[in-house]
Order: sequence, then C-alpha cells, then structure tokens
Amino acid sequence: QVQLVESGGGVVQPGRSLRLSCTASGFTFNNYGMHWVRQAPGKGLEWVAVIWNDGSNKYYSDPVKGRFTISRDNSKNTVYLQMNSLRAEDTAVYYCARDIAAPRPTYFFGPWGQGTLVTVSS
Amino acid sequence: EIVLTQSPATLSLSPGERATLSCRASQSVSSYLAWYQQKPGQAPRLLIYDVSNTATGVPARFSGSGSGTDFTLTISSLEPEDFAVYYCQQRADWPTFGGGTKVEIK
Repeated sequence: QVQLVESGGGVVQPGRSLRLSCTASGFTFNNYGMHWVRQAPGKGLEWVAVIWNDGSNKYYSDPVKGRFTISRDNSKNTVYLQMNSLRAEDTAVYYCARDIAAPRPTYFFGPWGQGTLVTVSS
Repeated sequence: EIVLTQSPATLSLSPGERATLSCRASQSVSSYLAWYQQKPGQAPRLLIYDVSNTATGVPARFSGSGSGTDFTLTISSLEPEDFAVYYCQQRADWPTFGGGTKVEIK
C-alpha cells in the first residue's frame, strides 16, 4: 500500500537551516506531484509547497517563498524540503502528501505521511 | 487568498446522530473543494474531493454537497470512529484550509 515516511525534523535555532525528507513507496513515484503541508501546534493546516512529478514546476506559499526549497529525486522515491532562515513561526509538524491525480497536480492531498516535528527555538 | 470559514467550531453529538458541517468561502471556489478528517496524533485523511466525490475507502455515510461559496459535509449516522476534527480545503486558488470543526461526543 502507499506509504510516505518523513524524517529530518528536530529543534533548530532561529536563522538556521534544516532539510526534511519524505520517502515514498507503494506507487509509481515519478507519476505524481508531491506537496508539503504543515500544522503549527494546536492549529490548522497550511499548504507549504508543491513539486510536479518531473520536478519541472515548483510553487510555494507566500510565508516560505524565498526561504524554503522543494526538490525531489525520483531515483530514490524521495521529496525534500530545504528550510533556510527558519523563524519561530515555522514551528510545526510538517507532512508530505501525494497529490490525488497524476501527472498534473490537482492540489488535493491524498495519502499523507505521519509528519515530522520542526521546532524553531533558541 | 481565499478564506474558508467553518461552522460550528464544535459539534456535540451522540453516536447514531446526523452531523452537518458547514464551510463558507470568501469568494467562489466553483467545485474545487475537499474535506479531510484528522484524529488526534494522526495525519489528515482525505474524505471528499470536488465537493461530492468520495475518496477510496471512505464509508458511504460521508457525503458532500454545495457549490460556489457554500458547502456541507454530512455524516449520516455517526460511528464512534467519526469523532474527530474536519477541515475543508479549496484549490480554486493557491490551496487554503478552513479552521476546522471538531465533532465531539455529547
């Protein structure tokens, strides 16, 4: 079955960097767009970024634009989120999610990973 | 940015009762609306997309309706496992989510 496993979260100081990974299995990874969605503690959901199936297009939410970079390695079935210049307000559980359709993303989120917690604190 | 407002914030019901959750958009999202369920400590799960299409494996007691700016998620008869938080989400513009409705046991 479809499985998404995130890793790379942790505690980081403001202004520092962190890279999250999400490894997929159970489907043809290079057919699907992949997203990152985050959830601050006790709060709602916020879409962060998308990368198309072939990596040709990448889009970001305004709060992370210019600081975060999404990428993927289809040979490793893995999508990444490089987070630079981290701020306290970036503290959240970060989920990777597969789009529901292939190849062009619909921006609806099908299978989700279990999430990885990023805490930005001095 | 399209703002989604969900109501009520909390819905207190008993198992077997019907649940009706509302989602209102600040501008038309056409039919580009989805619903997700999230249980404590778990990732969200897609229930409904494009207003009324049920995702794979979702029980038939879940249904969605609406168009334009007003949408409804209905759970016809609550099962114990349905008590959770529900979010609506639009993709007519860059994706945004509503603030959630918590369905709790009365």
